[in-house]
Amino acid sequence: QVQLVESGGGVVQPGRSLRLSCAASGFTFSSYAMHWVRQAPGKGLEWVAVISYDGSNKYYADSVKGRFTISRDNSKNTLYLQMNSLRDEDTALYYCARDRDGDGYIGWAFDIWGQGTMVTVSS
Amino acid sequence: QSALTQPASVSGSPGQSITISCTGTSSDAGTYNLVSWYQQHPGKAPKFLIYEVSKRPSGVSNRFSGSKSGNTASLTISGLQAEDEADYHCCSYAGSTTLVVFGGGTKLTVL
Repeated sequence: QVQLVESGGGVVQPGRSLRLSCAASGFTFSSYAMHWVRQAPGKGLEWVAVISYDGSNKYYADSVKGRFTISRDNSKNTLYLQMNSLRDEDTALYYCARDRDGDGYIGWAFDIWGQGTMVTVSS
Repeated sequence: QSALTQPASVSGSPGQSITISCTGTSSDAGTYNLVSWYQQHPGKAPKFLIYEVSKRPSGVSNRFSGSKSGNTASLTISGLQAEDEADYHCCSYAGSTTLVVFGGGTKLTVL
C-alpha cells in the first residue's frame, strides 16, 4: 500500500545538524512533489519545504530558509531534509507528505502523510 | 500566531451539523482556490479531507464538505458521529513569497 516512513529524528543540541529521511513505497515516487510539514508539541501544523517531482525546484518557509535543505533520490524512493543550525523552536514532529498532484505540478495539498519523526533541540 | 484563523474549539451532538471557519486574507485564501482541510486524531498523522476549497478525495465521506466566501473558507461536517471527534486544520496556498499557511487547528468535540 501507499506508505511514507520517516526516520532520523532525535535529540540534538542547538546549533548542531540532523538529517531526516522519508522512505516512500506503493506509488511512483518520481511523479510527485514532496513536502515536509512539522508540528511542535501541542501546536498546529507548519509547512516547512517542498521539492518538485524531479528535484529541480525547491521552496522553503521563511523560518527555515538558509538553514534547511530539502532533497530527494528518485532511484531510492527517498526524500531528505538536512537541518543545520538547529534552534529550540525547531523542536517538532516532522512529517513528510506527498503532494496531491501526480502530474508534475505542485498542487499545494497533502494527500499521504507519514507517521512523523520527532526532533528535539535542547542543550 | 497562525496565518489562518480558526476557532480553537467547536462542539456538536451526534447527528447534528457543524461548521468550522478558516479566515485568511486577500494574500492567501481570499485569492487562491487552493484551500485544503485535514483531520487529525490524537497521536495520529493528519488525514486529507478536502482540496481546492470543496473537492473531496476518493474515500472521504460525503458528510464532509468545503466552501469559501471572500477570505473565509469553511468545513462542514453533517450527521456528526463520535469518530469525527478530532482536530481539524485548514491550509492555503499563499503566493510565491509565503507559499503555504496553516490555521491553528480546531478541536471538535462530539457531545
